[in-house]
Amino acid sequence: GENVEQHPSTLSVQEGDSAVIKCTYSDSASNYFPWYKQELGKGPQLIIDIRSNVGEKKDQRIAVTLNKTAKHFSLHITETQPEDSAVYFCAASRNSGYSTLTFGKGTMLLVSP
Amino acid sequence: DSGVTQTPKHLITATGQRVTLRCSPRSGDLSVYWYQQSLDQGLQFLIQYYNGEERAKGNILERFSAQQFPDLHSELNLSSLELGDSALYFCASSVALASGTDTQYFGPGTRLTVL
Repeated sequence: GENVEQHPSTLSVQEGDSAVIKCTYSDSASNYFPWYKQELGKGPQLIIDIRSNVGEKKDQRIAVTLNKTAKHFSLHITETQPEDSAVYFCAASRNSGYSTLTFGKGTMLLVSP
Repeated sequence: DSGVTQTPKHLITATGQRVTLRCSPRSGDLSVYWYQQSLDQGLQFLIQYYNGEERAKGNILERFSAQQFPDLHSELNLSSLELGDSALYFCASSVALASGTDTQYFGPGTRLTVL
């Protein structure tokens, strides 16, 4: 089955800095890669996703890049703000009727004012 | 607010007991997924239902079962509870079975504590 590795487990940055979280996956057939943000006491919230026919996707201060050859994808957050502090999860799945999301173990991002 | 609702928010019970967690998907979503989140295991997929039928199983224990009703709400039943079952349980929903690439929207979760 799919295995998703996520690094780092914790990341501390100063407000205004950039943050990068990296994930690798094992199943070369995976073609959907969402990122979720989970704030304390809440459920994971989708913030951005990318499909295998695209190498990069941006949404304001958030971007995701995908390298299918190397089987890794990354989340980039620019101009970080204290409200970006949360746990971020990457996930992967393949286009199959019985496939489901496999999540990384999460990255706790702390943005200091 | 994702539109997915879960009840109860918190549940405290004793070992050996049985509990039922409830989930209502977003309006129009036909698929429901259940996940368990613990500190050491992260988000683990348990089971998926689509329009009332079981479609995929993950690391779900035999003591756990689920169902999806005609109105599309779902229930996760946990029996013979053990201390190790203490965790956050999330429900997610997506618009259709389609493929594994449907966007999943998560509910706020139920925190289960087994004493």
